[in-house]
Amino acid sequence: AQKVTQAQTEISVVEKEDVTLDCVYETRDTTYYLFWYKQPPSGELVFLIRRNSFDEQNEISGRYSWNFQKSTSSFNFTITASQVVDSAVYFCALSENNFNKFYFGSGTKLNVKP
Amino acid sequence: GAVVSQHPSRVICKSGTSVKIECRSLDFQATTMFWYRQFPKQSLMLMATSNEGSKATYEQGVEKDKFLINHASLTLSTLTVTSAHPEDSSFYICSARNTNAPLHFGNGTRLTVT
Repeated sequence: AQKVTQAQTEISVVEKEDVTLDCVYETRDTTYYLFWYKQPPSGELVFLIRRNSFDEQNEISGRYSWNFQKSTSSFNFTITASQVVDSAVYFCALSENNFNKFYFGSGTKLNVKP
Repeated sequence: GAVVSQHPSRVICKSGTSVKIECRSLDFQATTMFWYRQFPKQSLMLMATSNEGSKATYEQGVEKDKFLINHASLTLSTLTVTSAHPEDSSFYICSARNTNAPLHFGNGTRLTVT
């Protein structure tokens, strides 16, 4: 069965610190997709990244970077030089090949203090 | 800009009344839409998958007579919470799938039943 675990319920950092949000997943599928979404207090889900199971290349986008390791079934998300605007709940999600079903982790609330 | 529009963003209703939430794909045709529910400080749980022109598929434990889903066109799915009770108060969010693309989420509807 598919499952996504975000063990960190809440993290607090001071602005400009780096922070890594952990995500561990379980699936029997050989083809799957992993996602990160940001949910600010207003509630909408903001798409950050999608990675398919055959692409283990790490990705960097500005202050954001993602580390995908199939060997440990992890897809961790790092924010470098965090800013107050990064404060939000971040969800990691797993999708089957046809995107028909998303399995969300429980989310990590990130508090960035000035 | 937003590609999935959800309306209303907030609704307060009295216990026993019904509430309809709309989910529209703005610039693409969505044969499949999904409805999620999010309790405070919790993750998103898939309630049902809505297919245009056919009956919705409900997840285990979701009452189909309580949460009526209608996918009347390729751009519109509606969720009606019938005879709402305070325990139905939650954040409801829809998503729409465009072929081979990340799911687009609506901005969510915060339902409060008094």
